[in-house]
Amino acid sequence: GNSVTQMEGPVTLSEEAFLTINCTYTATGYPSLFWYVQYPGEGLQLLLKATKADDKGSNKGFEATYRKETTSFHLEKGSVQVSDSAVYFCALESGTSYGKLTFGQGTILTVHP
Amino acid sequence: DAGVTQSPTHLIKTRGQQVTLRCSPISGHKSVSWYQQVLGQGPQFIFQYYEKEERGRGNFPDRFSARQFPNYSSELNVNALLLGDSALYLCASSSAPGPGLYEQYFGPGTRLTVT
Repeated sequence: GNSVTQMEGPVTLSEEAFLTINCTYTATGYPSLFWYVQYPGEGLQLLLKATKADDKGSNKGFEATYRKETTSFHLEKGSVQVSDSAVYFCALESGTSYGKLTFGQGTILTVHP
Repeated sequence: DAGVTQSPTHLIKTRGQQVTLRCSPISGHKSVSWYQQVLGQGPQFIFQYYEKEERGRGNFPDRFSARQFPNYSSELNVNALLLGDSALYLCASSSAPGPGLYEQYFGPGTRLTVT
């Protein structure tokens, strides 16, 4: 079956620090990969996505590269801001189960001034 | 444009009762998916409907059922509620199902508490 594993949290950083949140996956078929973000008091929002190997998704300074050889999709940002504080979810959608997202457990990020 | 809307926002039910949650997708979206998010965990897929037909079902008991109406809105029903059903129930809509092709837009969720 499909599964997503994220690094344990929570993650606490100072403003302007470098961020990495690890994500690895197992999947049947050829999955598309996503990062979703849930800001306090808000719903889930798509942050970025990649649909094939070696694709790099990017948005709001965040980046993630689809690595098929290591089955990974790590999220990075060079300089985090207080406003980046949120819960981040890695997810996949397998080619054999359209419309079904499989999520990781989420990583809480807190950024201090 | 209005996003995905869900009702009610919160509700409290007693064990053994039944509950109906409602979702209105973004205008023009024909696919609706339901997810359960237990506190501290990632969302888990329950159902997906497209063009009023069930296209996918997650690993949930038969107490969970859903339907999609001609206007593409959807209802999720849960019978014989258990304490473990307490969670945030999320609805997501997209133009159509398709791997990575059509973004799923999530609603704010319905917080269900079972006592």
